[in-house]
Amino acid sequence: GQSLEQPSEVTAVEGAIVQINCTYQTSGFYGLSWYQQHDGGAPTFLSYNALDGLEETGRFSSFLSRSDSYGYLLLQELQMKDSASYFCAGSTDSWGKFQFGAGTQVVVTP
Amino acid sequence: EAQVTQNPRYLITVTGKKLTVTCSQNMNHEYMSWYRQDPGLGLRQIYYSMNVEVTDKGDVPEGYKVSRKEKRNFPLILESPSPNQTSLYFCASRTGNTEAFFGQGTRLTVV
Repeated sequence: GQSLEQPSEVTAVEGAIVQINCTYQTSGFYGLSWYQQHDGGAPTFLSYNALDGLEETGRFSSFLSRSDSYGYLLLQELQMKDSASYFCAGSTDSWGKFQFGAGTQVVVTP
Repeated sequence: EAQVTQNPRYLITVTGKKLTVTCSQNMNHEYMSWYRQDPGLGLRQIYYSMNVEVTDKGDVPEGYKVSRKEKRNFPLILESPSPNQTSLYFCASRTGNTEAFFGQGTRLTVV
């Protein structure tokens, strides 16, 4: 089964803030990554947290707490173009094995 | 331009007819991976490669083969495709602990 759990869908209005949570059960994750995927497109890399704490990149921020096996992606000042699926993911070893959550569909309404 | 190139983008084939999906990257990355994406399941890793001639199984390797004879290329081989391998496939490459670049995807239908 999935080692990373995230909500299946979140709906919000333009200009709002959305937080997508991700919890993981597997020990030894080498950090947590986030990806965006628009319908029919390839995933694009958003952010990577190797250490605990908050990483900010423009309107998007990502947080990791290893002690809680938990992270989140924060989308601020939502725009219509942010409507997409967002995936958390992580590497479980140093050799290349990589796992994704099932994805969160973010729907932005006017 | 840094990129991962997959071919073909779309493929319809019949059960049992061997096929190969090619993947090439121009960034000299050590790590390359193949994923399949099915509705509600996210991306699941099929195989990955740490460098030339070094490959290992991901979470869903059954029915697939890979090879890494050159650093830039990482083809995915389906020796005898079956309908349950109908899916959207992505190749990815990276240097560190996170997947950085994905190909545009190959939508495969096996009838």
